[in-house]
Amino acid sequence: DSGVTQTPKHLITATGQRVTLRCSPRSGDLSVYWYQQSLDQGLQFLIQYYNGEERAKGNILERFSAQQFPDLHSELNLSSLELGDSALYFCASSEQGGDIQYFGAGTRLSVL
Amino acid sequence: GQNIDQPTEMTATEGAIVQINCTYQTSGFNGLFWYQQHAGEAPTFLSYNVLDGLEEKGRFSSFLSRSKGYSYLLLKELQMKDSASYLCAVYMDSNYQLIWGAGTKLIIKP
Repeated sequence: DSGVTQTPKHLITATGQRVTLRCSPRSGDLSVYWYQQSLDQGLQFLIQYYNGEERAKGNILERFSAQQFPDLHSELNLSSLELGDSALYFCASSEQGGDIQYFGAGTRLSVL
Repeated sequence: GQNIDQPTEMTATEGAIVQINCTYQTSGFNGLFWYQQHAGEAPTFLSYNVLDGLEEKGRFSSFLSRSKGYSYLLLKELQMKDSASYLCAVYMDSNYQLIWGAGTKLIIKP
């Protein structure tokens, strides 16, 4: 158990809908990262937050947004969903930034 | 641009040794991570190299040459449970980014 909690584990929804994925980092970790992994593909970095502020941005679509709250949990919002958004979404956390990232078990999103 | 290259797939035999290479061309470098990822599961941390040389941790070792932009992960006494993808990632302090390779899928045969 990495100590990073992601909910829900599975999500099935329809095209055009909006969903929210939630992540609770390990106790004491200030950085949260979001990744997308499509079937048999590599990890695609989406966005990083550090202590409530956006720190780095990767290949995140405009339809996607995220935030980190004062209690350090984070949410990833995906809107106007398309079939191609079906993927595993991982959250990871680290103490600062640039150190070891610990990954949650992921949320498997299926867009039908 | 940033680029990390790893072989897509490798096959090895149970009990043998395998070396997974990773080469990188990035605008900065502060360290290199190796992660293991079993299919459908989360990546788990294996090693972190900042300085040149070999770091050994049980059956796994990781090597780094910063001048050559090169790292490898060495797995000894292979077990069936080592069948997984191995991800190489470079950390750049300048933009706080971790640049990930596409991963090497390692298949272990009896």
